[in-house]
Amino acid sequence: SQQGEEDPQALSIQEGENATMNCSYKTSINNLQWYRQNSGRGLVHLILIRSNEREKHSGRLRVTLDTSKKSSSLLITASRAADTASYFCATDNNAGNMLTFGGGTRLMVKP
Amino acid sequence: NAGVTQTPKFQVLKTGQSMTLQCAQDMNHEYMSWYRQDPGMGLRLIHYSVGAGITDQGEVPNGYNVSRSTTEDFPLRLLSAAPSQTSVYFCASSYGRWGEQFFGPGTRLTVL
Repeated sequence: SQQGEEDPQALSIQEGENATMNCSYKTSINNLQWYRQNSGRGLVHLILIRSNEREKHSGRLRVTLDTSKKSSSLLITASRAADTASYFCATDNNAGNMLTFGGGTRLMVKP
Repeated sequence: NAGVTQTPKFQVLKTGQSMTLQCAQDMNHEYMSWYRQDPGMGLRLIHYSVGAGITDQGEVPNGYNVSRSTTEDFPLRLLSAAPSQTSVYFCASSYGRWGEQFFGPGTRLTVL
């Protein structure tokens, strides 16, 4: 079973708006990662946040982690059409021996 | 650096055929893994390796074999292809088990 689950499954916004997607997970983690996948391509790493961190920024990306609620959010500010992609969170699993991915959020940014 | 490379990019098999998907990385990463991605879904881990000579099963290992004779290469073998194995297969590598994963471009496999 998947450790992480993204919400919403799909999101459509206008260029310039902010996009927020969430990830919930079930058990304690070492870190949580976010990836982007453009259609038909491999995944690209966006950001990693460790379990002892609460917030992290990278350019227009802001990631938060709430270990008490077992959840994380990815905020993309001032979105662009080029941000159209699927976004996945990844966490280590219960036994801590593998990295598992959620089902993803499909983001569409309309020009 | 080429990063993570996968061959072939596309493959069509008949039920019962076997084949090997190739994966190589030139970043000297110890950790390598194979995932499959079905339409509209996330990635599911098939097998992974924490170093040369060491492999282990992921979430969906049945029907697949792996080996890791060198740090660079991590081939995935389909023993007897089934239509349920129609999917896109991604290979990934990382410096540490929980570090940033570098993904290959994927292999689109169709089993008829």
